[in-house]
Amino acid sequence: GAGVSQTPSNKVTEKGKYVELRCDPISGHTALYWYRQSLGQGPEFLIYFQGTGAADDSGLPNDRFFAVRPEGSVSTLKIQRTERGDSAVYLCASSLAGADTDTQYFGPGTRLTVL
Amino acid sequence: GDSVTQMEGPVTLSEEAFLTINCTYTATGYPSLFWYVQYPGEGLQLLLKATKADDKGSNKGFEATYRKETTSFHLEKGSVQVSDSAVYFCALTSGGNTGKLIFGQGTTLQVKP
Repeated sequence: GAGVSQTPSNKVTEKGKYVELRCDPISGHTALYWYRQSLGQGPEFLIYFQGTGAADDSGLPNDRFFAVRPEGSVSTLKIQRTERGDSAVYLCASSLAGADTDTQYFGPGTRLTVL
Repeated sequence: GDSVTQMEGPVTLSEEAFLTINCTYTATGYPSLFWYVQYPGEGLQLLLKATKADDKGSNKGFEATYRKETTSFHLEKGSVQVSDSAVYFCALTSGGNTGKLIFGQGTTLQVKP
């Protein structure tokens, strides 16, 4: 079946603009995660959804970052007033139930560049 | 807080050489441990995992054993191939049953023919 998909694959924006990044998880997966990966680093956790609700948003760096998953499937990560430091690859992953032992399946990522 | 430390790369080996990539962790609970791999131009994918102490995860000739006494999960392969060239990430889920992954910084492996 289809894996995790993310759109767009690349996004270039100007400082101060608003961006939305979309994630389409594997069908039937209730758990969805967003991570951010800077060059040469491992992914860093941002937020975890269980169904429609954000069960853990402790990784969001500040209130410019917000994410939704209104129907328990597709999720959108929203970044307001973008800054150059937001430039990174944003990864989405999904897993069957969100258990600690579950395998997470990652999408290809969205490369965000803030000029 | 919980953390993962990997050996720094890049690691450069000749084909058929033995590979070890060291990974140690700090965790307050009982983590599950993972190795993810990122091949050039591809997304992250699970290589192997172990969910409790003394478990051995294995896949594609790679293996790693969950060592609670040394808080380690070193990745090994007996004979590497050029196609194993990739970035390898050690990670843990730190309990609380959220599945949140904490990653190491990654180790780049380059295998030369």
